[in-house]
Amino acid sequence: SQQGEEDPQALSIQEGENATMNCSYKTSINNLQWYRQNSGRGLVHLILIRSNEREKHSGRLRVTLDTSKKSSSLLITASRAADTASYFCATDIGTSGSRLTFGEGTQLTVNP
Amino acid sequence: DGGITQSPKYLFRKEGQNVTLSCEQNLNHDAMYWYRQDPGQGLRLIYYSQIVNDFQKGDIAEGYSVSREKKESFPLTVTSAQKNPTAFYLCASSILGPGYGYTFGSGTRLTVV
Repeated sequence: SQQGEEDPQALSIQEGENATMNCSYKTSINNLQWYRQNSGRGLVHLILIRSNEREKHSGRLRVTLDTSKKSSSLLITASRAADTASYFCATDIGTSGSRLTFGEGTQLTVNP
Repeated sequence: DGGITQSPKYLFRKEGQNVTLSCEQNLNHDAMYWYRQDPGQGLRLIYYSQIVNDFQKGDIAEGYSVSREKKESFPLTVTSAQKNPTAFYLCASSILGPGYGYTFGSGTRLTVV
């Protein structure tokens, strides 16, 4: 079963607006990561947040982590048409060997 | 430039054939992974390797095989035992241990004809 579940499954906004995507997971984690995938391409690592961190920023990205609720959110501010992609959260539970479990993703469409 | 290369980009397989997908990285990463992605879905782990000559099954290993004879290379064979192989296959690599992100290749789209 999937460890991470993203919400919403699809999101459509206008350029300049903020986009928020959420991820919930089931078991304790070592860290949580967000990735981006353009259609038909590989995934690109965006940001990693450790279990002892609550918030992290990278450029227009802001990630929060609430381990008590087992949830994370990814905020993209001032969105651009080029941000159109699928966004996945991935959890690392840190047992023997690092292996990520991915959610099913949020499809973000930013309309010009 | 350092990176991870998957080939071919598109692959067609006839019923009953085995096919091998290539994955090569020059990032000096110890760990390598194979994921399968079906349309509109997330990634599911097939196999992963943390060291040369060793690998572990992921969540959906049946019908697949791998080898890790060199640190740089982690080929995936889709055997005839895999009944529904049509999918997008992604290879990734990382520094071993928690706290590191994955670097992904650009994927191989496999279609059964």
